[in-house]
Amino acid sequence: QSVLTQPPSVSGAPGQRVTISCTGSSSNIGAGYDVHWYQQFPGTAPKFLMYGNSKRPSGVPDRFSGSKSGTSASLAITGLQAEDEADYYCQSYDSRLSASVFGGGTKLTVL
Amino acid sequence: EVQLVESGGGLVKPGGSLRLSCAASGFTFSIAWMSWVRQAPGKGLEWVGHIKSKTDGGATDYAAPVTGRFTISRDDSKNTLYLQMDSLQTGDTGVYYCATEGLDKALSVWGLGTTVTVSS
Repeated sequence: QSVLTQPPSVSGAPGQRVTISCTGSSSNIGAGYDVHWYQQFPGTAPKFLMYGNSKRPSGVPDRFSGSKSGTSASLAITGLQAEDEADYYCQSYDSRLSASVFGGGTKLTVL
Repeated sequence: EVQLVESGGGLVKPGGSLRLSCAASGFTFSIAWMSWVRQAPGKGLEWVGHIKSKTDGGATDYAAPVTGRFTISRDDSKNTLYLQMDSLQTGDTGVYYCATEGLDKALSVWGLGTTVTVSS
């Protein structure tokens, strides 16, 4: 069981908006630690997608956005495209564990 | 071009040892904090541990499941990160990635990974 909780799957039609939640606790997200997001296609390494809760690395489309509030964070994808179909992971730091922690991952299906 | 290339994976029996390497290029490795992350077959990402730069003290931290069995080290003269894995268990099977770690713990550059299989 992951320290950060994500829905196992989400889906949406092309052009729609989807959100992926990442719920933590007072020892990680709620303690003020940043949340970062990664995108992973089958059989490939994760790709750096979002950092510092809402900042996009160079090259990431502005269709992707992030937010954080309290003990949770969210990744939103607007104008959904078939190429967005992938697994998405959130990550933060946990002070109780003194370790970085990941969410269990969310599989995005584009219908 | 910033690049990380892992090597050293393979098949090992339970209780055995393996050392993974991660060759870095395209950035100043000596000042970089580096992490190892693994992924069991069909499962999610799991942080294994990290090592700070020597200028920041060079300390290591590990996830609970590997503490006491895994050791992370670095050779800045060779731009290489290592993961020494001892007392391997079947649950250690998976793809192991190295990644650069920012001060905010974000893992910005990832290698392609190397596969470790622990099986009798």
